[in-house]
Amino acid sequence: ETGVTQTPRHLVMGMTNKKSLKCEQHLGHNAMYWYKQSAKKPLELMFVYNFKEQTENNSVPSRFSPECPNSSHLFLHLHTLQPEDSALYLCASSHSTSGGVPREQFFGPGTRLTVL
Amino acid sequence: GIQVEQSPPDLILQEGANSTLRCNFSDSVNNLQWFHQNPWGQLINLFYIPSGTKQNGRLSATTVATERYSLLYISSSQTTDSGVYFCAVIYGGATNKLIFGTGTLLAVQP
Repeated sequence: ETGVTQTPRHLVMGMTNKKSLKCEQHLGHNAMYWYKQSAKKPLELMFVYNFKEQTENNSVPSRFSPECPNSSHLFLHLHTLQPEDSALYLCASSHSTSGGVPREQFFGPGTRLTVL
Repeated sequence: GIQVEQSPPDLILQEGANSTLRCNFSDSVNNLQWFHQNPWGQLINLFYIPSGTKQNGRLSATTVATERYSLLYISSSQTTDSGVYFCAVIYGGATNKLIFGTGTLLAVQP
């Protein structure tokens, strides 16, 4: 138990569906992240939020839409995905990096997404 | 961008054996973390170690930032140590973008 939870743990969706992934952290952090882990590829950063503001979008297609309503919750809204978007989606949190100091990141258990 | 390479890519051990995993990076880093990913996908924090040496039970890690590498030592390995070990770095002006290595897949056999 890392203090970061994700739901659902598994998701199967069609290419025309709309679904959302949820992440919640109980660590008192102010920065939250989405990462993607595809088969045979290193984990890659998708989005970063500091104090609810998006500070990084790593050239992610618009069919992935993040939302951060507060410092404890992070969502990833999915629509019209492609089969190649099937992957493990990991959420992470850390203390804020606004002061310019890298912080240790803690990860949730991930959502394993399959797009048919 | 920075390159993060891990070796070996795969490792099979008998229970009780010791091992050393290596992480090389191509540029100066501000942060380095080691993770263990269990078979269910959970990333477990092992060490936050931009420089120096740390120990936690049977695990220890050393980062030599000036020579751009980090080592993870596992002693008296157990079957529960099986999984993938990742190192990840933050470098340059970025303060929050972890760049992951390709991982070492460890299998500990009873």
